[in-house]
Amino acid sequence: EAGVAQSPRYKIIEKRQSVAFWCNPISGHATLYWYQQILGQGPKLLIQFQNNGVVDDSQLPKDRFSAERLKGVDSTLKIQPAKLEDSAVYLCASSLVSGNTIYFGEGSWLTVV
Amino acid sequence: GDSVTQMEGPVTLSEEAFLTINCTYTATGYPSLFWYVQYPGEGLQLLLKATKADDKGSNKGFEATYRKETTSFHLEKGSVQVSDSAVYFCALTPSTTNAGKSTFGDGTTLTVKP
Repeated sequence: EAGVAQSPRYKIIEKRQSVAFWCNPISGHATLYWYQQILGQGPKLLIQFQNNGVVDDSQLPKDRFSAERLKGVDSTLKIQPAKLEDSAVYLCASSLVSGNTIYFGEGSWLTVV
Repeated sequence: GDSVTQMEGPVTLSEEAFLTINCTYTATGYPSLFWYVQYPGEGLQLLLKATKADDKGSNKGFEATYRKETTSFHLEKGSVQVSDSAVYFCALTPSTTNAGKSTFGDGTTLTVKP
């Protein structure tokens, strides 16, 4: 079974530039999550989708972060404009609607300089 | 709100030593508890889980028991290997089946030396 796919794996950008990350969840998983993991900390949930609807985006900095999940499968997370403190790993994950086990992708590593 | 506290690292052990990584939690109701492992340059992988009190999760020689009376979920392994070197995260999800509200600890870095 294919896992959660993410791209790009690594990205370096200057502050105030924009960046986008892509995620393809495990087939059949209706729930998709984006987490931010700052070095030395555990992941923090940014946004959760159920199919193509947003379930929770209470911790998403909406002035600069946006996410969409068109057609209820792939998802894109965008940051514009980036700040130095956005340097982190952005983890995409998915789960079955009724399950409580999360499956993570390998992450997209962002460095803002 | 919910919280997870892990023992501070880093932890350095010799191969074949016994491992314990402490984890305690604060939550309402009856959360599910998890241990995730993150190898260098990779995302998190589920290591084991327990969904109710006194359950024992186990995988790859690791085990942890859900102790409601002490609100703990300590990770143990009887004989560690160099390949176990990684960062270990304890996490919980609330009593509902919504995994999105997972709360993670800050991770404990384990280094195993030959």
